[in-house]
Amino acid sequence: DQQVKQNSPSLSVQEGRISILNCDYTNSMFDYFLWYKKYPAEGPTFLISISSIKDKNEDGRFTVFLNKSAKHLSLHIVPSQPGDSAVYFCAASAGGTSYGKLTFGQGTILTVHP
Amino acid sequence: DAGITQSPRHKVTETGTPVTLRCHQTENHRYMYWYRQDPGHGLRLIHYSYGVKDTDKGEVSDGYSVSRSKTEDFLLTLESATSSQTSVYFCAISGNGNQPQHFGDGTRLSIL
Repeated sequence: DQQVKQNSPSLSVQEGRISILNCDYTNSMFDYFLWYKKYPAEGPTFLISISSIKDKNEDGRFTVFLNKSAKHLSLHIVPSQPGDSAVYFCAASAGGTSYGKLTFGQGTILTVHP
Repeated sequence: DAGITQSPRHKVTETGTPVTLRCHQTENHRYMYWYRQDPGHGLRLIHYSYGVKDTDKGEVSDGYSVSRSKTEDFLLTLESATSSQTSVYFCAISGNGNQPQHFGDGTRLSIL
């Protein structure tokens, strides 16, 4: 039972354009969402997060949008750069007995072409 | 970068042997986690710790045990390794359960 899904295994964009990565979740108890970037042979690196009390959070070129009614979040990267080429994972956690436990999506491979 | 060291970085072993992976942190963070990454599954939580000697199971804990006798060290043990445990293992730390987790660079484990 995949509670967090990234339905696009890969995405290819041109340098300077917008990259939009999508993530859907099924567990209505999730209240904290994160995006991680991962390069080969390295651990995931935290990018940006959002709590369920917000619908948008920005950090430089990265913006995360949360649509709670649709159980959907997205990561926008503007402008995209070749160094953004990596695997992107969305993750979610709930409170209560699940406090601190992250559930990850399968990942989306982003390729940014010069 | 968060001070997280995983050892060994690579290991090849045989089915049925015990294996212990170590995660060492220098951040004095309370929470530590072990994940495995497999194609098509993203990262899945194996076990986590919310303090010295305080641990709990994650999504895929069968066949694994953990120990945390000091704040800085979190050990993952495969009591009798199986080929299905071939994977990349990541350790993560966080100051509390609602802060972003920061990851080590992983251990690639192959069980033949």
